[in-house]
Amino acid sequence: DQQVKQNSPSLSVQEGRISILNCDYTNSMFDYFLWYKKYPAEGPTFLISISSIKDKNEDGRFTVFLNKSAKHLSLHIVPSQPGDSAVYFCAASEETSGSRLTFGEGTQLTVNP
Amino acid sequence: DTGVSQNPRHKITKRGQNVTFRCDPISEHNRLYWYRQTLGQGPEFLTYFQNEAQLEKSRLLSDRFSAERPKGSFSTLEIQRTEQGDSAMYLCASNPFSYNEQFFGPGTRLTVL
Repeated sequence: DQQVKQNSPSLSVQEGRISILNCDYTNSMFDYFLWYKKYPAEGPTFLISISSIKDKNEDGRFTVFLNKSAKHLSLHIVPSQPGDSAVYFCAASEETSGSRLTFGEGTQLTVNP
Repeated sequence: DTGVSQNPRHKITKRGQNVTFRCDPISEHNRLYWYRQTLGQGPEFLTYFQNEAQLEKSRLLSDRFSAERPKGSFSTLEIQRTEQGDSAMYLCASNPFSYNEQFFGPGTRLTVL
């Protein structure tokens, strides 16, 4: 069963506009959520995270929102830049599982100049 | 370079052969993880070590797969009697104990002919 889902395989936005990437999860034991960015031929790079005790975390152009009741999180990138073009993965962990990460399928973001 | 390193970066083998991959984590990171990623999917957890102890293995890790981390430093992942379905990117990650974010290496791409 897919416990973390990213329903949009791809997203295309114009440079300078907002990019919104979405992620849904089913496991209520998840208590920590992360976003990773991946360029071709490289490993995933950590971007931003949020604990389940918060509903928002901001780091520069990147903001992650968590809605626990809906089991939904989103990543906002403002303003989007062409260098942000990459695959973005949502991931989640349970404290009791030794911090293994469960990933979504990924969303390919393309930022057009 | 003080990041996670993986060798080799690419491996092509024939069905039935054994292969071994190596991961060198970031210095002093006592947790080390192995993931597998296939095309169009997010990374899937395989196993993780805390120091030299292998604490968890996914059901994805069949008896043809074995991982070791002697002395709690580098780790090796061996696949015996490879099958075409083993073709994937094998990713290694590390982090310090009680740290949620994991730091990934560039991966080893395995192609089984």
